[in-house]
Amino acid sequence: DGGITQSPKYLFRKEGQNVTLSCEQNLNHDAMYWYRQDPGQGLRLIYYSQIVNDFQKGDIAEGYSVSREKKESFPLTVTSAQKNPTAFYLCASSTRRTGDEKLFFGSGTQLSVL
Amino acid sequence: EDQVTQSPEALRLQEGESSSLNCSYTVSGLRGLFWYRQDPGKGPEFLFTLYSAGEEKEKERLKATLTKKESFLHITAPKPEDSATYLCAVQAHNQGGKLIFGQGTELSVKP
Repeated sequence: DGGITQSPKYLFRKEGQNVTLSCEQNLNHDAMYWYRQDPGQGLRLIYYSQIVNDFQKGDIAEGYSVSREKKESFPLTVTSAQKNPTAFYLCASSTRRTGDEKLFFGSGTQLSVL
Repeated sequence: EDQVTQSPEALRLQEGESSSLNCSYTVSGLRGLFWYRQDPGKGPEFLFTLYSAGEEKEKERLKATLTKKESFLHITAPKPEDSATYLCAVQAHNQGGKLIFGQGTELSVKP
């Protein structure tokens, strides 16, 4: 079945530690996105990539980094500079075809600070 | 600034009690308005895309409508399995496909 796989489901970060969240898709989508979700708030865009080897900052990119070396993969690193990393992280992908812009989401990673 | 506001924040209904969720938006050139359903601890699931004022789409007990300023998600005779958070998002032209989300409406349907 085609879809988006995020791993791990739960992740714990120690003080000063960098952690990486995995996102893989087999939908052959060009565009991929990372959103952060906090309780009672809307999803906020961290980074997005429309094509391999290119990505752009979203609204809350500080303290995060990404790479897009392969079409299928868009990992997110939460660095020690992100002082409030506890949140639910969602990866999404989409085609770039006009009239079919809906995002498909993964099942999410819950990140907590120890 | 592009913005999406959903109301109410939470809605409790009895099974069979129809109601509507509201999504008000301001955007510099609407490319599309999206509705998603999200269950606790899971990723959002796509429901509808609306592109122009006057457009309507239906799926089972759900019907989405769009005007130039807002969208409504009408729920007819809801069942307990309709309980979830419903998210509204807009996509603007020349914004790289990214969506701007509202904070969601948490719907609870009691038997």
